[in-house]
Amino acid sequence: SQQGEEDPQALSIQEGENATMNCSYKTSINNLQWYRQNSGRGLVHLILIRSNEREKHSGRLRVTLDTSKKSSSLLITASRAADTASYFCATEGRGTASKLTFGTGTRLQVTL
Amino acid sequence: DAGVIQSPRHEVTEMGQEVTLRCKPISGHDYLFWYRQTMMRGLELLIYFNNNVPIDDSGMPEDRFSAKMPNASFSTLKIQPSEPRDSAVYFCASRGGTSFYNEQFFGPGTRLTVL
Repeated sequence: SQQGEEDPQALSIQEGENATMNCSYKTSINNLQWYRQNSGRGLVHLILIRSNEREKHSGRLRVTLDTSKKSSSLLITASRAADTASYFCATEGRGTASKLTFGTGTRLQVTL
Repeated sequence: DAGVIQSPRHEVTEMGQEVTLRCKPISGHDYLFWYRQTMMRGLELLIYFNNNVPIDDSGMPEDRFSAKMPNASFSTLKIQPSEPRDSAVYFCASRGGTSFYNEQFFGPGTRLTVL
């Protein structure tokens, strides 16, 4: 079974609003990564947060990690229509160097 | 760099036929991963290689699936014989560097349809 479960499964917002996606996982991790997938395309890496980090920023992206709750969130601020995609969290478990386990994904729709 | 290259992009075949998917990782990357994505099961890791050696093939669904990496610039995933339930998008990804903290780069995928 998949390590990560994401919530919500689908999210629809208007351009300019913020979008928040959550990810929960089950075992200890080295790091957690977020990827974006546009329809019919491969996954693109967005941001990585290490297990000893609590928050990280990259442009309009903000990621938080709570290892005590085994959860992470991805915030996209001031969303744009081009942000429409599926977003996946992926965890690299301890003792499983390089092997990623992906969550179920959140489908984000940003409308004009 | 052209990124991870996969071929073919689309494959339609009939049940029982052999299917071979190909991947060229990013030059210099020493890890290569094969994933399968379906609506029902999401994105699953099938197998991965480090320096051309298979490290973990626990995700390979059954003996009908096999993967090889004869050199650092080429890998194949073969399904023989194929079945309708193998229909999915198959992704290849590569990763470089010795740090734990490295991203994977994905190819565009091969959409496989088995009739």
